[in-house]
Amino acid sequence: AQSVAQPEDQVNVAEGNPLTVKCTYSVSGNPYLFWYVQYPNRGLQFLLKYITGDNLVKGSYGFEAEFNKSQTSFHLKKPSALVSDSALYFCAVRAFSGYSTLTFGKGTMLLVSP
Amino acid sequence: EAGVVQSPRYKIIEKKQPVAFWCNPISGHNTLYWYRQNLGQGPELLIRYENEEAVDDSQLPKDRFSAERLKGVDSTLKIQPAELGDSAVYLCASSLAGGNTGELFFGEGSRLTVL
Repeated sequence: AQSVAQPEDQVNVAEGNPLTVKCTYSVSGNPYLFWYVQYPNRGLQFLLKYITGDNLVKGSYGFEAEFNKSQTSFHLKKPSALVSDSALYFCAVRAFSGYSTLTFGKGTMLLVSP
Repeated sequence: EAGVVQSPRYKIIEKKQPVAFWCNPISGHNTLYWYRQNLGQGPELLIRYENEEAVDDSQLPKDRFSAERLKGVDSTLKIQPAELGDSAVYLCASSLAGGNTGELFFGEGSRLTVL
């Protein structure tokens, strides 16, 4: 069975500082990896995905994520955080082969202070 | 382009009452999903449709939950009777058909409170 772990319930960072939101995964074979963001009382919005190729993928709003196969990780990063980045972030994984359900982590709340 | 539309946004009912949620996916998206998101958790898949066919309903509690997508476009998720533990946000999502590489597009969700 595939799974996603987001070890931090909350990440606090000051505006202008770099941020990292951690994600590790477990899946049979190669993974497809996704990050979504959820603002209060809103649905999930797609940020970025890793399918194949370059391990560093860039997405919306200046976010990027690095795929590390040996560590089975897909951490979300941003060089300079904004207060408006404060939201709930979800990592998700799908298996490479066959049809696979998109499995989400429990989410990490990012709080960016002014 | 219109996104995924869900209604109602909020619903409060007493236990044992029925409730229904409606979803209209993005035009041209043949795959439709219903997810349930409990407080403090990530979304969990209830059912997936490819056009009008339910191809993955293994996580749908079939004793009280039902879903339909009769014409392969909009969909309805029903709970009858509702229980206290059904309080959650019900999210609808859609994607282009086929494969595992495409991202899902989510609606804003329907928040259910069962008293």
